[in-house]
Formats: sequence, C-alpha cells, structure tokens
Amino acid sequence: DTGVSQNPRHKITKRGQNVTFRCDPISEHNRLYWYRQTLGQGPEFLTYFQNEAQLEKSRLLSDRFSAERPKGSFSTLEIQRTEQGDSAMYLCASSLNSIGVSPLHFGNGTRLTVT
Amino acid sequence: RKEVEQDPGPFNVPEGATVAFNCTYSNSASQSFFWYRQDCRKEPKLLMSVYSSGNEDGRFTAQLNRASQYISLLIRDSKLSDSATYLCVVNRGGGYNKLIFGAGTRLAVHP
Repeated sequence: DTGVSQNPRHKITKRGQNVTFRCDPISEHNRLYWYRQTLGQGPEFLTYFQNEAQLEKSRLLSDRFSAERPKGSFSTLEIQRTEQGDSAMYLCASSLNSIGVSPLHFGNGTRLTVT
Repeated sequence: RKEVEQDPGPFNVPEGATVAFNCTYSNSASQSFFWYRQDCRKEPKLLMSVYSSGNEDGRFTAQLNRASQYISLLIRDSKLSDSATYLCVVNRGGGYNKLIFGAGTRLAVHP
C-alpha cells in the first residue's frame, strides 16, 4: 500500500502526558499537512510543510504542539502536557507540489483520547 | 461565522432519490473548490473538484457560483453506498493547497 500511513491508529493517554504521532506521506509528495478533527466537525488545518520547511502554523497549534519533518519525508506531531480538549482525530495528508491544485491524500488518522 | 458553512443534515432519503447539498464560503479570494466524502470513522476522500462551469461525474453534479459564494452537490439515483458525510472544501489559495473544510452534511440512504 503506497498511501499515506499514520501511526499509531489509536492512542489513549492520561492528562499531562506527552504523545507523538508519526505520518509517512506518499513517497513522491513533498507537501505534508496536519489536520485535527473532532466529532461532528470537519478537519481543521493545523500546519503545513513543503519538504522539510514548516511554512504555516494555525493559531490552533498552541505552544504545546510541535511538528517536524526533518528530512522532508516522514513527519511527527508531538503534543506535550496533553489536555482533555486535545482528544480528537489527527489526520495527516500529502500532495504533490504542482502548478494548480493537487488533491490531498489523507491517512487514516490517529485517534487520541486523553483521560 | 465559519469560513465554510454547510447544513449538517442528516438527509434521510430512499434509494433512487435525488438529493442536493449546499455550501457557502465567506472568503472571496478562495480559488478552488471540492467535495470530499467521509465514511464513518474513516479519512476524507476526494469526491470531485468543482468548476465554475459546473461539472458532472456519473450520478454526481457539482456547481459553483462565485458571485454568491455558493457551491452545490447533486446526487441522482441515490444508492445505499452513498451514505456518508459530504464535506464542502475550499482552497484559500496562497499556492500550497490550504484546504478549509466545512463541518459536513450527513446523508443516509435507506432501502
């Protein structure tokens, strides 16, 4: 399967703990995005990378959140000192860097539950 | 006010029915438009792009009205397998595909 891969699929953690999620995009895609989705809502943009450069961060991404894409391939999203409000589905997507609009291909997400 | 607004539904329709979803967006600089489909507890998947001239893909027809900042999706001859949430999506532009999603409209097709 050469689609976007996310790990883990599910994560249950206690409030105050740190968690890290991983995303492996489609190999030829140099654009990578993180979104967050809560029940009954559409995905909300968190951050975007072109290759290893993080080009935009949403105001939703507080200081407790950090994302990296060190070699321009896989990406990690870390949440420090988790809060119950962080419980959500975290979606990673990738796309080609092409003129015009290239569709986003989403991974199947990491579902985070903070207890 | 959200940047992309949709009626959350649910729309409950019998098989074979025609159903239409509407969406409005507030940012007049938005450059491209899409409908994504999301099944329960799955990731969103691109259903179709939306062009100013309107476009059709089988039973699905999408329309865009830039003047009114309004997007629609029409599904003809509904199938049970069409049951899902339909997300209206707007590309805010800036050259890198920043997609803004609506909250989605739920469709349930029953026998």
